Amino acid sequence: SQKIEQNSEALNIQEGKTATLTCNYTNYSPAYLQWYRQDPGRGPVFLLLIRENEKEKRKERLKVTFDTTLKQSLFHITASQPADSATYLCALLSGGGADGLTFGKGTHLIIQP
Amino acid sequence: DAGVIQSPRHEVTEMGQEVTLRCKPISGHDYLFWYRQTMMRGLELLIYFNNNVPIDDSGMPEDRFSAKMPNASFSTLKIQPSEPRDSAVYFCASSPDGRFGGELFFGEGSRLTVL
Repeated sequence: SQKIEQNSEALNIQEGKTATLTCNYTNYSPAYLQWYRQDPGRGPVFLLLIRENEKEKRKERLKVTFDTTLKQSLFHITASQPADSATYLCALLSGGGADGLTFGKGTHLIIQP
Repeated sequence: DAGVIQSPRHEVTEMGQEVTLRCKPISGHDYLFWYRQTMMRGLELLIYFNNNVPIDDSGMPEDRFSAKMPNASFSTLKIQPSEPRDSAVYFCASSPDGRFGGELFFGEGSRLTVL
């Protein structure tokens, strides 16, 4: 069966360091992968999209990598700040040609001052 | 643009009652999605529409759930009768292009508690 796995345990990072979050998937052949941020009591907000033919994508302090051989995406936040504390979700297009995104359960990131 | 607007933000009801959740997508977006979020299962896709037509409702858990999109600016998700296990946050999202990587714009969600 198809699975998207993100570290369910909270990730504690010291302010100023680089935070790295992992998204692993099985039984998917995604053409692209997306990352979202979700704050408590709010809806997810789109951050980045990376396509299968792109190894790396950057946006300001954010960097995403996509390894279709390892079936893994890494999400990096450099020079992390307490305001980066949130839950980060990865998402893939559902199988079978459907248009809806399937989301991982997310990783809760805590940046400590 | 005001973004995706959902109502109500919070709903507390008793088992057996009918619940109707509402969504106004971003103008011009052709795709509308309904998701449900719980701690146990995360975000689950329930149903989505393209140009007001339901395309895939395979995620709708039971016949008690139904969704409609009578026009491009309004959609409803109805649960009748509601059960305690339906308690969750229900999100509506819209996208200008659901295919090929179109990002989703989410509303703030409707938190449903069924007693």
